[in-house]
Amino acid sequence: DTAVSQTPKYLVTQMGNDKSIKCEQNLGHDTMYWYKQDSKKFLKIMFSYNNKELIINETVPNRFSPKSPDKAHLNLHINSLELGDSAVYFCASSQDFGTGGYEQYFGPGTRLTVT
Amino acid sequence: QKEVEQDPGPLSVPEGAIVSLNCTYSNSAFQYFMWYRQYSRKGPELLMYTYSSGNKEDGRFTAQVDKSSKYISLFIRDSQPSDSATYLCAMSARQFYFGTGTSLTVIP
Repeated sequence: DTAVSQTPKYLVTQMGNDKSIKCEQNLGHDTMYWYKQDSKKFLKIMFSYNNKELIINETVPNRFSPKSPDKAHLNLHINSLELGDSAVYFCASSQDFGTGGYEQYFGPGTRLTVT
Repeated sequence: QKEVEQDPGPLSVPEGAIVSLNCTYSNSAFQYFMWYRQYSRKGPELLMYTYSSGNKEDGRFTAQVDKSSKYISLFIRDSQPSDSATYLCAMSARQFYFGTGTSLTVIP
């Protein structure tokens, strides 16, 4: 039974398009995250979100927006895609940080290619 | 200066060798220290975590944290070909910060 799942696994699209990546976790965790991993394997946090707080990495362009319909889902919307957005995007979840949420569980990743 | 520095390697060792992976950091507020393993085209998976300074052992893996030097290490004993992966250190105060990862290949 998959703990953190993402769809789609691969996404190829053209510059200027708008796309979404979906993430679901069945672990009952309170906090979810989006990460971007570039071609050099550097994993950079984009957002962390729970029902109390959205923390945005200030370097993330506002073309990226997280949307959470409920505690188990955190989707990533990207507007006006650019070539530099090509990367692997990982969703993750953990318990609420205040209760020792040091352990993150990662999804399998979505490989986004912008042409 | 990056929050977390990690030598990207690549590191190549013969089977059975002891592997040492290291990270340094600049933020003294970090309290949780973690090591993740990432196989090719997979998501990272948590290997070990340590709270504050000290050592922690789990099978062939030992994690060490030296907060005074802002330095953490992961040791792998009796390395196996199945250990071939990218190893990412991570640390957190409220946000998580990852190192760039060290690519390890264990040669049979």
